[in-house]
Amino acid sequence: GESVGLHLPTLSVQEGDNSIINCAYSNSASDYFIWYKQESGKGPQFIIDIRSNMDKRQGQRVTVLLNKTVKHLSLQIAATQPGDSAVYFCAENGLGGSNYKLTFGKGTLLTVNP
Amino acid sequence: KAGVTQTPRYLIKTRGQQVTLSCSPISGHRSVSWYQQTPGQGLQFLFEYFSETQRNKGNFPGRFSGRQFSNSRSEMNVSTLELGDSALYLCASSPGTDTKEKLFFGSGTQLSVL
Repeated sequence: GESVGLHLPTLSVQEGDNSIINCAYSNSASDYFIWYKQESGKGPQFIIDIRSNMDKRQGQRVTVLLNKTVKHLSLQIAATQPGDSAVYFCAENGLGGSNYKLTFGKGTLLTVNP
Repeated sequence: KAGVTQTPRYLIKTRGQQVTLSCSPISGHRSVSWYQQTPGQGLQFLFEYFSETQRNKGNFPGRFSGRQFSNSRSEMNVSTLELGDSALYLCASSPGTDTKEKLFFGSGTQLSVL
């Protein structure tokens, strides 16, 4: 029978374009957020993080924006390269009983066309 | 510095059997977390250990258990395997002293239950 799986949002971009991956988080009390990249056959790899007392943080070719009002997180990748093709996850670290635990989003599949 | 090491990389078991997975964290990291990744449910938190104590646990049945040794290495055990336990099991480590820490993941153990 047909298997039920997560229907990942997908984003397809041309090499050299900028990519924006979005994420809505659930817990208004979360105070720490992380973006991970997962390539086929590998574990998630840390990209960038941001604390709730910040709205924006930049890394090498990546920028994370946090909008606490609407509980939204975005990852911007500048000059996207074929090596950026992967599944991207946002994760939140909630307060209280959710300490020492990350809650992951469903992921977005980014495909970079040469 | 060596990354998070998980063994074995692949496992094939039959229903009813039990399995033990091993994880060696990054040197100096005292927190080890385990996650299950499936196409249907995504990444789900199993449990987290720090200094041999379980600090947080996800919503998995009691068939899933773990432990941590004095050298911070960790094992997880799944007893009475079911077909639905087929998944990628990911181990992650961090220093464990701050609730706002990024996790470093291993490549995972791919478990297939037949």
